[in-house]
Amino acid sequence: AQSVTQLGSHVSVSEGALVLLRCNYSSSVPPYLFWYVQYPNQGLQLLLKYTTGATLVKGINGFEAEFKKSETSFHLTKPSAHMSDAAEYFCAVSSGAQKLVFGQGTRLTINP
Amino acid sequence: GAGVSQSPSNKVTEKGKDVELRCDPISGHTALYWYRQSLGQGLEFLIYFQGNSAPDKSGLPSDRFSAERTGGSVSTLTIQRTQQEDSAVYLCASSLAWQGAFENEQYFGPGTRLTVT
Repeated sequence: AQSVTQLGSHVSVSEGALVLLRCNYSSSVPPYLFWYVQYPNQGLQLLLKYTTGATLVKGINGFEAEFKKSETSFHLTKPSAHMSDAAEYFCAVSSGAQKLVFGQGTRLTINP
Repeated sequence: GAGVSQSPSNKVTEKGKDVELRCDPISGHTALYWYRQSLGQGLEFLIYFQGNSAPDKSGLPSDRFSAERTGGSVSTLTIQRTQQEDSAVYLCASSLAWQGAFENEQYFGPGTRLTVT
């Protein structure tokens, strides 16, 4: 079975500060890893994904994540937070079974 | 259409009534998924359709839940005899066919917010 743990249900940073959202996964097979963002009253939008190859993945809106197999982690970062980054972020894992297994989500608040 | 659409956007129903939720996937996407997002359970997989293959129903929480996909396109999720614990946002997603090691992105609709009173 696969599972995802997101450390911190709420994260608050100042505008311009580093954003770090933590995600650890458990998988018995090589995982595919995803970060999705959800703005209020909207569906999920893919930020970035790791399938194979380069372990540092760059996504939209300046976000990136690094796959670390030894740490079973896939943390999401952005060097400088913007007010528009305020949203809920979900880490997800999948294998060949197609369905996504999501973490509980992290609500990101940006302070002016 | 340009994206995945779902209807209705909001649905309020009385306990014990049946409800139908509709999903229109992106044209050409052969895979379709239903997920449920609730406060207590987070985002949960419900069911997955891929082309003409038998659907993966492993996430359906009870036999009150069923789904069908007609003509390989539109899907309907039906909940019979609704209970208060069914209150949640039901999300639909679609993707291109799975191509070996490269999993295709799932595109999500805006969801249907179901409230059971």
